[in-house]
Amino acid sequence: KAGVTQTPRYLIKTRGQQVTLSCSPISGHRSVSWYQQTPGQGLQFLFEYFSETQRNKGNFPGRFSGRQFSNSRSEMNVSTLELGDSALYLCASSSGRGFNGYTFGSGTRLTVV
Amino acid sequence: ILNVEQSPQSLHVQEGDSTNFTCSFPSSNFYALHWYRWETAKSPEALFVMTLNGDEKKKGRISATLNTKEGYSYLYIKGSQPEDSATYLCAPNTGNQFYFGTGTSLTVIP
Repeated sequence: KAGVTQTPRYLIKTRGQQVTLSCSPISGHRSVSWYQQTPGQGLQFLFEYFSETQRNKGNFPGRFSGRQFSNSRSEMNVSTLELGDSALYLCASSSGRGFNGYTFGSGTRLTVV
Repeated sequence: ILNVEQSPQSLHVQEGDSTNFTCSFPSSNFYALHWYRWETAKSPEALFVMTLNGDEKKKGRISATLNTKEGYSYLYIKGSQPEDSATYLCAPNTGNQFYFGTGTSLTVIP
């Protein structure tokens, strides 16, 4: 079956702009989580959506937001971009039940200049 | 926020050597511990999920153990091969969130 698809793979934006990243989970998976990775940092949890509802949220400012659609696809939006938002953004899908772990996408590499 | 520590940060071994690394985490509020392998330019790939104290899991030459009472997990690789080169991440789960360590970067030298 198809894996987790993230688009775009690479993105360059200017400070102050906004950006939207997309994630299509594995068919049948209802949970989508977003993570940020910056050099020297572990994967930092942004938020999790399950059945179109935000179920958990990490410690990121309100400039980071997300949503999930009825087909489980999820988008993440970052407004008023800052240089420090340059990172790899990973999306991970799971069934949302139990602890079967994630299936990760390939990520979106965002560079803010 | 859960403090997850992985050691060593990086490791270089010769092909054929066996190696192990450690994941330490607070033992309270523990539900499960996941290990992932992350090869360069690829997505993190799930290796193991462990939930019970004393759990041992094995996948080929890779195995892992779990001690929930003292808050640590070991990952072992027997007879390392160049294709084992990757960053190994551990992620304890408290029931509603995963907390990832910064990983151990393993390089296996042919």
